[in-house]
Amino acid sequence: DTEVTQTPKHLVMGMTNKKSLKCEQHMGHRAMYWYKQKAKKPPELMFVYSYEKLSINESVPSRFSPECPNSSLLNLHLHALQPEDSALYLCASSQDSPANHPYTLFFGQGTRLTVV
Amino acid sequence: AQSVTQPDIHITVSEGASLELRCNYSYGATPYLFWYVQSPGQGLQLLLKYFSGDTLVQGIKGFEAEFKRSQSSFNLRKPSVHWSDAAEYFCAVVPPAGGSYIPTFGRGTSLIVHP
Repeated sequence: DTEVTQTPKHLVMGMTNKKSLKCEQHMGHRAMYWYKQKAKKPPELMFVYSYEKLSINESVPSRFSPECPNSSLLNLHLHALQPEDSALYLCASSQDSPANHPYTLFFGQGTRLTVV
Repeated sequence: AQSVTQPDIHITVSEGASLELRCNYSYGATPYLFWYVQSPGQGLQLLLKYFSGDTLVQGIKGFEAEFKRSQSSFNLRKPSVHWSDAAEYFCAVVPPAGGSYIPTFGRGTSLIVHP
């Protein structure tokens, strides 16, 4: 199994809603990532978890709250988002911590988020 | 500033024609180099990577890339493009020393394939 699975594929939410994005991998990878990608732009790093601990937060607003319940699962909790937060949210994993080595990133298909 | 540059926003080729996508970096030492592809509505997939050794790297889907130290380049090539190669291509670099090995992505090149 070399897949990173993200759910849901599409999400429309109001600015007062609370929702969560889910990401799962069963490759035994020990690092997981959240990226945000706007149209026609490269992915922008948001968070990195290594060994289930948050290791990098790229100054992301607190309305985005990551969670890593175990080594296979990564969630992104969303609350009070703004329309400009509409984007493709990509989850990725790598074999081990990016503090040690430039590991290949394995990406999920993403969640297309629209904030109305 | 240290960075990665993809000079071409769009490239249009005919099916069956050859392809070269450009990538340049500006680091003092050789960084770790990657090419990823993103098909419409999909996540990114690694095509190939270069860390050291043979400067011509073979990847998946018939792609190859050549590292040229003198030109600070890592250009992606394919001898004969298929319609299914239409996608966004990202060059990514990881600085050669210290701290964190998180890749920095170029802005991407959109490949359009004409029948």
